[in-house]
Amino acid sequence: DAGVIQSPRHEVTEMGQEVTLRCKPISGHNSLFWYRQTMMRGLELLIYFNNNVPIDDSGMPEDRFSAKMPNASFSTLKIQPSEPRDSAVYFCASSLGSGPVYEQYFGPGTRLTVT
Amino acid sequence: AQKVTQAQTEISVVEKEDVTLDCVYETRDTTYYLFWYKQPPSGELVFLIRRNSFDEQNEISGRYSWNFQKSTSSFNFTITASQVVDSAVYFCALSGRNTGFQKLVFGTGTRLLVSP
Repeated sequence: DAGVIQSPRHEVTEMGQEVTLRCKPISGHNSLFWYRQTMMRGLELLIYFNNNVPIDDSGMPEDRFSAKMPNASFSTLKIQPSEPRDSAVYFCASSLGSGPVYEQYFGPGTRLTVT
Repeated sequence: AQKVTQAQTEISVVEKEDVTLDCVYETRDTTYYLFWYKQPPSGELVFLIRRNSFDEQNEISGRYSWNFQKSTSSFNFTITASQVVDSAVYFCALSGRNTGFQKLVFGTGTRLLVSP
């Protein structure tokens, strides 16, 4: 079975450019999570969706960040305009249901570098 | 507020040694869950174990074992007879009722290096 798929795996962009990260959750999973990992702040939850609906976006750092989940098999995280401090590894994860009994399966991550 | 502390930034051991990774947590929730994830050099996070706050039984899975003690707010992870393939960053995480259990709060991770 395919796991969580993220694209691109690596992205290098210049400051001010728009960046779109993509995620395809595991088929049948109805919860999706976006995390960011940096050396300074570790792993942080940015936003999560249940049944395509955003439930908690309190971790989104600022208005430059936005996330959508138009259907059960696709989600995007957009940064516009990007800044060097956005450089990080962004992980998408999905789970079969909501609640802690359903473990979160992580994708391979997208390494974003903003110059 | 919820917080997970992994005080050990990096641990180096020689193969076949036992090693314990410490995890201390803080939460006001009476119902919560604790997790361990492994992040190998390839980068993805791999789920290892989940424990709820009502189950303090220690768990063993092969060479891995976990010691959950509510009295000290700790959930430590021991690898017995470590192997080179155990080299990775290990994260402890917490989720609580106040945040619907879905928000994982991660510790800063412990990098384990097992040399042959």
